[in-house]
Amino acid sequence: GAVVSQHPSRVICKSGTSVKIECRSLDFQATTMFWYRQFPKKSLMLMATSNEGSKATYEQGVEKDKFLINHASLTLSTLTVTSAHPEDSSFYICSAGVRSGRVGEQYFGPGTRLTVT
Amino acid sequence: KQEVTQIPAALSVPEGENLVLNCSFTDSAIYNLQWFRQDPGKGLTSLLLIQSSQREQTSGRLNASLDKSSGRSTLYIAASQPGDSATYLCAVNLSGNTPLVFGKGTRLSVIA
Repeated sequence: GAVVSQHPSRVICKSGTSVKIECRSLDFQATTMFWYRQFPKKSLMLMATSNEGSKATYEQGVEKDKFLINHASLTLSTLTVTSAHPEDSSFYICSAGVRSGRVGEQYFGPGTRLTVT
Repeated sequence: KQEVTQIPAALSVPEGENLVLNCSFTDSAIYNLQWFRQDPGKGLTSLLLIQSSQREQTSGRLNASLDKSSGRSTLYIAASQPGDSATYLCAVNLSGNTPLVFGKGTRLSVIA
């Protein structure tokens, strides 16, 4: 149980285009999902916290107009990178908190590798 | 602001050796501590979660301890195997359903 999927796993796009990444909790309901970014050989940095039915909370330095987050249901959150630039190339990972069971435990998706050319 | 530090940054050991990875955090008021494994270019695999009221957790050859008051955790790997080669990440959160703060990880290589 507690499986989180992400789609796509890899995407290559041209500079200036937008890319949408989906994060789904497959067998549980997630009231909160988190989006992280990981640059090569670096650790994960939190980008935003996404609560179902409300606006996402962004970390300092993360442009909310560039990284659009929508959490429309208890099983789906999306991250849209708008007007992507090469510096947005990174590994994006989402996680979801399990609504029941051990509070505070998070399950991570497999990640999405974004390359902007 | 919570900061998580992992030492060493990289470690290379011969197969069969027991090893310890270290994690420290600056704010001892944590809710949970989790250890993850990350293979190159892949996502995270949760290894062990220690709740703040617990002192250790075990899973197979892995044992994680937590000393909340001193802000430290260790991950002990017994009888290491080449398949254990990966980056190991330590992360904490300050309350239930809040984001994790990650260390930079320890890159482990187990040599056959």
